[in-house]
Parts: sequence; structure tokens; C-alpha cells
Amino acid sequence: DGGITQSPKYLFRKEGQNVTLSCEQNLNHDAMYWYRQDPGQGLRLIYYSQIVNDFQKGDIAEGYSVSREKKESFPLTVTSAQKNPTAFYLCATRDRTNYGYTFGSGTRLTVV
Amino acid sequence: QQQVKQSPQSLIVQKGGISIINCAYENTAFDYFPWYQQFPGKGPALLIAIRPDVSEKKEGRFTISFNKSAKQFSLHIMDSQPGDSATYFCAAYSGSARQLTFGSGTQLTVLP
Repeated sequence: DGGITQSPKYLFRKEGQNVTLSCEQNLNHDAMYWYRQDPGQGLRLIYYSQIVNDFQKGDIAEGYSVSREKKESFPLTVTSAQKNPTAFYLCATRDRTNYGYTFGSGTRLTVV
Repeated sequence: QQQVKQSPQSLIVQKGGISIINCAYENTAFDYFPWYQQFPGKGPALLIAIRPDVSEKKEGRFTISFNKSAKQFSLHIMDSQPGDSATYFCAAYSGSARQLTFGSGTQLTVLP
């Protein structure tokens, strides 16, 4: 969607496993964001990155980790410390000259 | 801490009717107010946006009304269509924080 590729579309995690969600963009946008979406709770910010090799915690960073080694990529790892990881995860980007976000199509993570 | 409050949580409108979704914010540093539309299983997409120096913006059937003194803004969907059935999020952008804060979302259903 709009030059952002999130994969996989569906992901199943066993208890105690770490899983990594991929977010790749070809929009040449500087900023990238990870949101978690639960029914009736809107979008909650997990982590964000304004430039390569730099990232900040959002409102619900506990149990998650990220890296930003390349401008195009911002993977999110859901660790075993995240006790309730079942949710819809959205990656977004923002160009430095524009306030609007572009979202990917999301990854639905389910704990089995 | 919920900086952007959105209502109603759900809305049912007859085809051809007007859909109205309201948002209120607290932080006077917000300087850009977008609305996003999200269909099931997809990422949100930018629908329309407004800056605080403008009281109204219209794009086709979609209009944002902005009341800076009351710190409120609303989305009006004229001649609502079944294809408008989706979840709508208001948001507010802070240039200093360089991130969007989202409302909790409104699930709109337009009956045929």
C-alpha cells in the first residue's frame, strides 16, 4: 500500500516465542512508525524512528524491540515479554515535508 | 493519557444521510488535523486534513469543520453511501513531537 510492504499478512506465535514483523518502504520517507491496533482502542504507538540508527519508545514499547539499520526498513520484534501480543500491527511512514502518514496494510499476529 | 477524544464510537446512518463524527483535543501545540479512513483488514488511508488557521475544508462529500477556540473538529460526510462504511480516525499532529496522536475511532455503517 502506497510503497509500504508489511509481511507477513498473518502470523501465528507460540507462547514464549519471539517473532519479527517486517516493514519495508520505497517512498524515501525519513520517519517510520509502528502502531498496535486492538478493537475499540484505536492506534497506539509502539516505537518510532526519525532517522537511520535512531529510534524512540512510544506509549506501549514494553515487550517490543526495533532496529533501523537502513532507511527503507524498520522491523518490529515482538518478544516473549509481551504478554498479550494478539493484535493488528501497522507500520507507517512520514516524509519530512509532510505531516501526513502513509500506512502499510498491516500484519495480524495471533498467539496460539 | 488520551489527548484526542473521538465520538461516537459507532454510527449507523441511512443511505443519503449525513454522517457526523466529532473530535476534541487538549494540546494547543497541535498544528495539523487529519482524518483517516480504514476498511477491515487494511491500513488507514488519509481522507482529508485541515490546519488550525482554516475553519472549514471541503473535498467532495467530505467536510472538516474546525473550531480553534473550542479545540474541536468534526468530519461531515454528506450523501453517505454504503461504500463509506468503514472506521474513521481523527488525529492531531504536533510539530514539536513530530508524531500523530489518534482518536479511538468511529465505526460507521451506512445502510442501503
